[in-house]
Amino acid sequence: EAGVTQFPSHSVIEKGQTVTLRCDPISGHDNLYWYRRVMGKEIKFLLHFVKESKQDESGMPNNRFLAERTGGTYSTLKVQPAELEDSGVYFCASSHRTGFVDEQYFGPGTRLTVT
Amino acid sequence: QQPVQSPQAVILREGEDAVINCSSSKALYSVHWYRQKHGEAPIFLMILLKGGEQKGHDKISASFNEKKQQSSLYLTASQLSYSGTYFCGTLDLTGNQFYFGTGTSLTVIP
Repeated sequence: EAGVTQFPSHSVIEKGQTVTLRCDPISGHDNLYWYRRVMGKEIKFLLHFVKESKQDESGMPNNRFLAERTGGTYSTLKVQPAELEDSGVYFCASSHRTGFVDEQYFGPGTRLTVT
Repeated sequence: QQPVQSPQAVILREGEDAVINCSSSKALYSVHWYRQKHGEAPIFLMILLKGGEQKGHDKISASFNEKKQQSSLYLTASQLSYSGTYFCGTLDLTGNQFYFGTGTSLTVIP
């Protein structure tokens, strides 16, 4: 079974540019999460999709970040325009929740560097 | 909202034991534990559910005290492969809010 995949693995952009990150969850997983880890610090929650709906987007830092999940399959996270503080590793995770058991499988992450 | 972990960092020699604590200010339904090695994705270790559960496999076990809203991860007879950053993740009683803890960096040296 294929795991969670993310693309690209690494992106270097200049301040003010736009970047779009993609996440393909494990097939059949309705739950999809985006997280960000900055400078080796804690993993910060960004948002949670259930199928194509945003269940919780309380972690999105500001309106420069836009996440979508087309048809409840893959998801994209767009940063426009990018700022220096957006640098970090963006992880996507998916799960098939059974009640309150939510074992999340993580993708390898996208390392974003804004210069 | 974010659970607080302690200690922030710990260095062990092979064979020593460690305890990592996770404390939340909210009532919890479940606690999840993950380990992340440098440059890799977090890997799921275990889930503990409401009801004061204890779990373990091999030399890694955990407990969950729902009344205190705390969980502890126990690593016994540590191995070099245990090195990494450990995160707890908590799910509240609504089942809608999942947050990772502040993380604990664990380094095992020979």
